[in-house]
Amino acid sequence: KAGVTQTPRYLIKTRGQQVTLSCSPISGHRSVSWYQQTPGQGLQFLFEYFSETQRNKGNFPGRFSGRQFSNSRSEMNVSTLELGDSALYLCASSSDSPMNTEAFFGQGTRLTVV
Amino acid sequence: KNEVEQSPQNLTAQEGEFITINCSYSVGISALHWLQQHPGGGIVSLFMLSSGKKKHGRLIATINIQEKHSSLHITASHPRDSAVYICAVRARYNFNKFYFGSGTKLNVKP
Repeated sequence: KAGVTQTPRYLIKTRGQQVTLSCSPISGHRSVSWYQQTPGQGLQFLFEYFSETQRNKGNFPGRFSGRQFSNSRSEMNVSTLELGDSALYLCASSSDSPMNTEAFFGQGTRLTVV
Repeated sequence: KNEVEQSPQNLTAQEGEFITINCSYSVGISALHWLQQHPGGGIVSLFMLSSGKKKHGRLIATINIQEKHSSLHITASHPRDSAVYICAVRARYNFNKFYFGSGTKLNVKP
C-alpha cells in the first residue's frame, strides 16, 4: 500500500498569512486525524474527519480549520498565522472499525512562521 | 494527568549498548504505536502493536495489555539510532483519536 502522504513537507510563511496543508490517507481509510507538535510540546490533537464530516475537535482556536473530500483526502487550514503556529503538523490515517486497528502516520509538514 | 507516560525523558548510551524505553498508558486502547523522529525531521512509524511482541532488525517492541505497558528495545545501539522515540496509543472508545507520550530523546555516542 502507498503510505500516508502529507504535502508540502516544509513550508515558510509570514505572520498574518494563511496556510493550507494536505493529507492523503491510505487507500480505503476514511478517517483522518490531525495533530500539532510545537517545540518542547508533545503532539496535540487538532481534529478528526470521517466521511467528509468533522467528528472530533481538540482545544484549538477557530483559526484552525479543516475539511475532508469525498476521496478522503483532508486539508487543514490555519488563518492569520502567528509565530506560535510554527510546528510540525502530523496526520494519521485509520479505518473506522474497532476490529481493525490499522493506522498509519504521515511524515508531517514542518511549518515555520516568520 | 497525561494519558500516556514515557520514561526516561532523556537517555544517553554508548554505541553497542542495549536500550529500553518504556511507555505506560491509562486509557483502554485498540493499538499502540512506536514512532521515531530525527532532529528537524518528520515522523517515521516503527511498530504498531495490539498484543505480544514484534521485531524489526535491531528493534523489538513488546506490549502487556493487562499492565497497560509497552517497551521499545534497541539492541546493539548505533549513533544513527539517535532520535526522539514517541509512544502513541489509539483509544478504544474513541478509536480514531491518538494520545501521544512526550517522547524519549535518545543520544547514542560512538
